[in-house]
Amino acid sequence: DAGVTQSPTHLIKTRGQHVTLRCSPISGHKSVSWYQQVLGQGPQFIFQYYEKEERGRGNFPDRFSARQFPNYSSELNVNALLLGDSALYLCASSLDLPPGGVKNIQYFGAGTRLSVL
Amino acid sequence: RKEVEQDPGPFNVPEGATVAFNCTYSNSASQSFFWYRQDCRKEPKLLMSVYSSGNEDGRFTAQLNRASQYISLLIRDSKLSDSATYLCVAHNAGKSTFGDGTTLTVKP
Repeated sequence: DAGVTQSPTHLIKTRGQHVTLRCSPISGHKSVSWYQQVLGQGPQFIFQYYEKEERGRGNFPDRFSARQFPNYSSELNVNALLLGDSALYLCASSLDLPPGGVKNIQYFGAGTRLSVL
Repeated sequence: RKEVEQDPGPFNVPEGATVAFNCTYSNSASQSFFWYRQDCRKEPKLLMSVYSSGNEDGRFTAQLNRASQYISLLIRDSKLSDSATYLCVAHNAGKSTFGDGTTLTVKP
């Protein structure tokens, strides 16, 4: 069975540009979450989507946006890129929403490594 | 102060040692808790869920203390393959908060 897949694996952009990252969840999973991870830190929560609706948002500026499609895949968009946006962007999927239980265990994709020059 | 705090380590232990990690969380409304393992330049992978009653999976034991708002992970009989960064997670209402991780190196 395919796990969570993310594309592209690596990306180089310059300041001010726009980027779109893509995520396909595990088949049957309806919830997708996005995280940003910079070196030496844990993943920072950006968004969670469930059944195509935003269900959670972290402390990120409005330059960050996301959406979930009818097939449960998701896109993360970042506008007006800054040098500080350079990071590993992780997508995680789960069957359901929290709280508790095995249905909301999150499975991560391998991530997209974004470098902003 | 971070919502989820962990001792960053590094913890350097010999094979066969027992090592314990603690994690504290500040949001008392947090509802579910997990430990993830992350190898260098890889994605986090679930190690185990954490319950108030405590749970054990082989050499790994996790415990949640809601009154004190901390989570623990105990690894017995450490193996070289246990070397990794261990992340604790507190989840509440659509938001997952990760700690910055504790790095473990197990040496021969």
